[in-house]
Amino acid sequence: AQSVTQPDIHITVSEGASLELRCNYSYGATPYLFWYVQSPGQGLQLLLKYFSGDTLVQGIKGFEAEFKRSQSSFNLRKPSVHWSDAAEYFCAVGARTGNQFYFGTGTSLTVIP
Amino acid sequence: NAGVTQTPKFRILKIGQSMTLQCAQDMNHNYMYWYRQDPGMGLKLIYYSVGAGITDKGEVPNGYNVSRSTTEDFPLRLELAAPSQTSVYFCATSGFQETQYFGPGTRLLVL
Repeated sequence: AQSVTQPDIHITVSEGASLELRCNYSYGATPYLFWYVQSPGQGLQLLLKYFSGDTLVQGIKGFEAEFKRSQSSFNLRKPSVHWSDAAEYFCAVGARTGNQFYFGTGTSLTVIP
Repeated sequence: NAGVTQTPKFRILKIGQSMTLQCAQDMNHNYMYWYRQDPGMGLKLIYYSVGAGITDKGEVPNGYNVSRSTTEDFPLRLELAAPSQTSVYFCATSGFQETQYFGPGTRLLVL
C-alpha cells in the first residue's frame, strides 16, 4: 500500500540556519512527489514537485528537494531559513497510474530569532 | 482567476444536522478532491472526481456524499453530522497527473 512518512513531527531551527525535512514513501513504482507548505489558517501551497528527470528540484522561496530512489526519500532542504518559513510542511506522493494523492502527517517548523 | 474557492469558511453544526460544503474552481480542471485534515493526521482523501458525473470514494468516505454535475463545482454533503466530523475540509483540483491546487478550507465544528 502507498504511504508517506514524515518522521519529524516538529522541528525548531534558528533563523539563518540550514534546514532539512525528511520524507520517505512506500510505493510500487516511481511516484510523483510533492512538497506543500501550509501557514496557519491557510490552504496548502505547492513548494516544488518531481515528475521525472533531474533528481534535484528547485522550488519557490529558496527550497529544493532531492529524490533518492534507492532510499525512497524526497527530503526538503533550504540553506538559510527565514522567520517567515515557520509553517507546516507536507510531503505527498501521487500515483502515476491514476490520480490519487497521499499525504504525510506533516512537519511543523518553528524558527527562532 | 479565483482559483479554488470554498464556502463557508467556518460553520458550527449540531449533532444530526446536515450541511453542504461548497467548492468551485475556475481552472477548468477535470479532477477535484475533498480532503479532511485533523491535527497530527495529515490530509485524508474523502472523495474525488475525475470529471462531471463521475465520483469515487477515497480513504474516509463514510458519513459524506458528493456530486459533480458540472466541471466547476464539487459540493460535499454531510447528512447526519457527528462530532467525529469536526475537522478542516479542503477542496483541491488538478489536471491529469498534475499538481493539486487547494482551496482555503472550511472549518467545521460539530457539537
